[in-house]
Amino acid sequence: GQQLNQSPQSMFIQEGEDVSMNCTSSSIFNTWLWYKQDPGEGPVLLIALYKAGELTSNGRLTAQFGTTRKDSFLNISASIPSDVGIYFCAGPRFSGTYKYIFGTGTRLKVLA
Amino acid sequence: KAGVTQTPRYLIKTRGQQVTLSCSPISGHRSVSWYQQTPGQGLQFLFEYFSETQRNKGNFPGRFSGRQFSNSRSEMNVSTLELGDSALYLCASSLGSGGNQETQYFGPGTRLLVL
Repeated sequence: GQQLNQSPQSMFIQEGEDVSMNCTSSSIFNTWLWYKQDPGEGPVLLIALYKAGELTSNGRLTAQFGTTRKDSFLNISASIPSDVGIYFCAGPRFSGTYKYIFGTGTRLKVLA
Repeated sequence: KAGVTQTPRYLIKTRGQQVTLSCSPISGHRSVSWYQQTPGQGLQFLFEYFSETQRNKGNFPGRFSGRQFSNSRSEMNVSTLELGDSALYLCASSLGSGGNQETQYFGPGTRLLVL
């Protein structure tokens, strides 16, 4: 099925470093959602973006809705070990009604 | 407010059997969507139910079916299980406006292993 492209696919970082990841699409979206998934658990919503150019923070996390509406970015500042997990972006695609498609995920590993 | 709940959390079945998974959405949410997650294919949309009707459907065979009850709880059924059906099955609930600014909230998932 269709998916959004996320990069990087995986990254190892040192505790305390900042992290940046992005999500791109060939289509325009009106909403971007960012989720984090821990092993064996369901994705947890981190940030929702509804407007082009919007910049929204949730603690150490900041996400931006790209001005082209075809991309979004997630930054994590001062990473800590519990940031480990897979980060997914998602956007609604119209198919009769809207349904969400998901990015391929960015796997983050934090080295203490 | 309680989150999305899914039962059972873990399930082991053999090929050819059938399985039923259950999802209770957040109170007040009327839409339930089901996803299959595998390492190779990522998160794939199965179907969405709203007001007891299937409103949207992904590209899965007819062995995968679902339903929704009047209290918005949903069940998903997979018949004639195949090895490739082993996956984490996730449900997500939302208010159900059907618009492009809905926010979905996921349950913890049901891990299905087919032997």
